[in-house]
Amino acid sequence: AQTVTQSQPEMSVQEAETVTLSCTYDTSESNYYLFWYKQPPSRQMILVIRQEAYKQQNATENRFSVNFQKAAKSFSLKISDSQLGDTAMYFCAFMKHSTGSARQLTFGSGTQLTVLP
Amino acid sequence: EAQVTQNPRYLITVTGKKLTVTCSQNMNHEYMSWYRQDPGLGLRQIYYSMNVEVTDKGDVPEGYKVSRKEKRNFPLILESPSPNQTSLYFCASSLLGQGRGITEAFFGQGTRLTVV
Repeated sequence: AQTVTQSQPEMSVQEAETVTLSCTYDTSESNYYLFWYKQPPSRQMILVIRQEAYKQQNATENRFSVNFQKAAKSFSLKISDSQLGDTAMYFCAFMKHSTGSARQLTFGSGTQLTVLP
Repeated sequence: EAQVTQNPRYLITVTGKKLTVTCSQNMNHEYMSWYRQDPGLGLRQIYYSMNVEVTDKGDVPEGYKVSRKEKRNFPLILESPSPNQTSLYFCASSLLGQGRGITEAFFGQGTRLTVV
């Protein structure tokens, strides 16, 4: 079974600054996917960024980037130039890669990020 | 527009009164699932379905039922709700996919259920 740990229940950052959210996971799988989801007060689950474990290059999406350390089983999210709209709960999630098989997401407990004006 | 639609968005009910939360997707996805979200626990999978008439338990299936009679619909049924099922529920769908490559999960808007 997989586990995902987010050790920071709450974080805050000043607008325009950079913040890093941490995530570690435990798995015996060699092929898998990792995701960061954002949940604003509207409760909608929004995919922020994703990483395929077999790719060494860290994924980036505009102001969002990850630091993927496969050996350490670490998958942190860096948000640059933080904006007020980034205020949300952020979830780290793991999905096992298995051809034609279940697509269960295993989530961490979440980090509530507040961007301060 | 590609979407997953859940209804209702909010529901307050009493212990023991059967209820159904509906979920429908318009993307022809094979895989659908239900999650519950509780503070400090993140989202946990309740049930999933890999295709019509194929369903299986997730991590927290007790007290829930599902059915998959049509590809687009995957209702969640609570036959005798209890207060410990008070939670935020999400339906999600995705392609199963073959080989390498990520298949993105699309989530519904969530259903806030309160059982008193």
